Amino acid sequence: GQQVMQIPQYQHVQEGEDFTTYCNSSTTLSNIQWYKQRPGGHPVFLIQLVKSGEVKKQKRLTFQFGEAKKNSSLHITATQTTDVGTYFCAGRNTNAGKSTFGDGTTLTVKP
Amino acid sequence: EAEVAQSPRYKITEKSQAVAFWCDPISGHATLYWYRQILGQGPELLVQFQDESVVDDSQLPKDRFSAERLKGVDSTLKIQPAELGDSAMYLCASSSTPGLAGGFTDTQYFGPGTRLTVL
Repeated sequence: GQQVMQIPQYQHVQEGEDFTTYCNSSTTLSNIQWYKQRPGGHPVFLIQLVKSGEVKKQKRLTFQFGEAKKNSSLHITATQTTDVGTYFCAGRNTNAGKSTFGDGTTLTVKP
Repeated sequence: EAEVAQSPRYKITEKSQAVAFWCDPISGHATLYWYRQILGQGPELLVQFQDESVVDDSQLPKDRFSAERLKGVDSTLKIQPAELGDSAMYLCASSSTPGLAGGFTDTQYFGPGTRLTVL
């Protein structure tokens, strides 16, 4: 079945440093979504990418979808303590409606 | 802002007992999802409903788990009998468009979850 892998599993940064998490799928995706889960909270939708090579920005967050639609990345510029949490990607298979979540990257930010 | 409601928030039970979780999606959302999230892992889809119909339950352990959405609105997930390995967070989510492959923005809105502990 479809597998979605995320690296790194954990990332510790100093406030102000940049952060990147990578998501790789074993199959071609129709779209990919990114979610953020704060400690003790539930996943909250951030963005959806659909087109090959697509790049979207939300303030300090930049999301990319690979040309082959099998990988994606989330980059945060100048991290803040409010960025703390676990970032999940969720890939939807081209041939099925099911979303498969990666195991997330947990970001901690030291003030 | 409309939210997905879940109850109970916490449940402690002994193994071999039956447990049930309830979810009320955002009004008008046709698609409802039940996920299981083990600590340190991503959510794993258990079952997906489109209105009252199941569209995917391939990962649902059907020997002990059941889910229903009789009127296409709220939903119940049941485990009978519960096992130690069922301890996890059970998340419900809803979206306003069907989970079709394609270019739809089918944002999934998650509820607060039910934390299940099986002793």
